[in-house]
Amino acid sequence: RKEVEQDPGPFNVPEGATVAFNCTYSNSASQSFFWYRQDCRKEPKLLMSVYSSGNEDGRFTAQLNRASQYISLLIRDSKLSDSATYLCVVNGGYSTLTFGKGTMLLVSP
Amino acid sequence: GAVVSQHPSWVICKSGTSVKIECRSLDFQATTMFWYRQFPKQSLMLMATSNEGSKATYEQGVEKDKFLINHASLTLSTLTVTSAHPEDSSFYICSASASSGSHYEQYFGPGTRLTVT
Repeated sequence: RKEVEQDPGPFNVPEGATVAFNCTYSNSASQSFFWYRQDCRKEPKLLMSVYSSGNEDGRFTAQLNRASQYISLLIRDSKLSDSATYLCVVNGGYSTLTFGKGTMLLVSP
Repeated sequence: GAVVSQHPSWVICKSGTSVKIECRSLDFQATTMFWYRQFPKQSLMLMATSNEGSKATYEQGVEKDKFLINHASLTLSTLTVTSAHPEDSSFYICSASASSGSHYEQYFGPGTRLTVT
């Protein structure tokens, strides 16, 4: 089983739609979880940290299910500018981040 | 927020030459910096963890003599790709670790796109 697994997509959605991504991780000892956003040929940028049962930031909601070892990201009212690759990232300890391959989102007018 | 810079942003070099990439944390001190490599349509792969004042820890399969890392201060780490070959062409990204309460978050530099001809 891959350490961090994501559906690569692409997810094609119209503006205003709600879209959800899931991510599973294999290391049950993982402590911290993040969603990063990466635009084409750019560096990843932290979108949200997920530390406990989940959190919400505007149109974005992240949830963590430790028992099932998965994390989700929900985007409401999608904007064209949300088009990007969303990376699920897991921290098993102080220093090591493990990245998923990312899920591509394409929001169309 | 925490800002990390990288220089150069892109570089083209001939096979056999060496290339140095700098990573700086601009508004915070980073005891630990990380170097990643990303090939097209692939995820970021950690190459090495760099701690200020000590030797870097390399991931399995990464040649330490080829990818020289120096972390001379709390705000600067450098990666030197020695005797570069076309297969070293990639997107190299550094990150620096900053504390956020009881957790550490990583902030990424803008990356350096290396093309070896």
